[in-house]
Amino acid sequence: AQSVAQPEDQVNVAEGNPLTVKCTYSVSGNPYLFWYVQYPNRGLQFLLKYITGDNLVKGSYGFEAEFNKSQTSFHLKKPSALVSDSALYFCAVSHLTGGFKTIFGAGTRLFVKA
Amino acid sequence: GAVVSQHPSWVICKSGTSVKIECRSLDFQATTMFWYRQFPKQSLMLMATSNEGSKATYEQGVEKDKFLINHASLTLSTLTVTSAHPEDSSFYICSADGTGRSNQPQHFGDGTRLSIL
Repeated sequence: AQSVAQPEDQVNVAEGNPLTVKCTYSVSGNPYLFWYVQYPNRGLQFLLKYITGDNLVKGSYGFEAEFNKSQTSFHLKKPSALVSDSALYFCAVSHLTGGFKTIFGAGTRLFVKA
Repeated sequence: GAVVSQHPSWVICKSGTSVKIECRSLDFQATTMFWYRQFPKQSLMLMATSNEGSKATYEQGVEKDKFLINHASLTLSTLTVTSAHPEDSSFYICSADGTGRSNQPQHFGDGTRLSIL
């Protein structure tokens, strides 16, 4: 069965510092990996995805993520955090043989302090 | 970009009331929409997959008679919480994708916060 793990409930970082939000996955076959962000009382917004090709993918708002097949990880990164990046971040996985369903991680709350 | 509109955004009602939540794809057609439930500080739990013109597919443990889903057109799916009780209070989110492929991102509505008194 496919699954997604986000080992950190919360990540705290100072504004201007680099940030990393971790994600590992378990899926048979080639995964499709996604990162979404959720602001309070809102739905999820798509940030970026990995389907195939270059392991480093760039997305919205300066975020990027690196696909690491050997470590089955897809960590979200940003070189310089902004206070406005404070939100709830979800990693998600789907794959072709898993049908159309997307499985979400538990979420990681990011706090960026000014 | 693709826009999904969810209405209402907030509902407060008495126990025993039935509540209908609408999910509309505004600029694309969605043969499939998804309904999620999110508890405070928790991830999204997939409740059901809504299929246009056919019955919804419910996840294990979700009562289909409690959570009625109708997907009568390519741009509208509705979730009705029947005879709602306080334990049904939650944040409900819908999503849709116009491509029908698992390698494409979902487009989410802004959610509906349901509070049952």
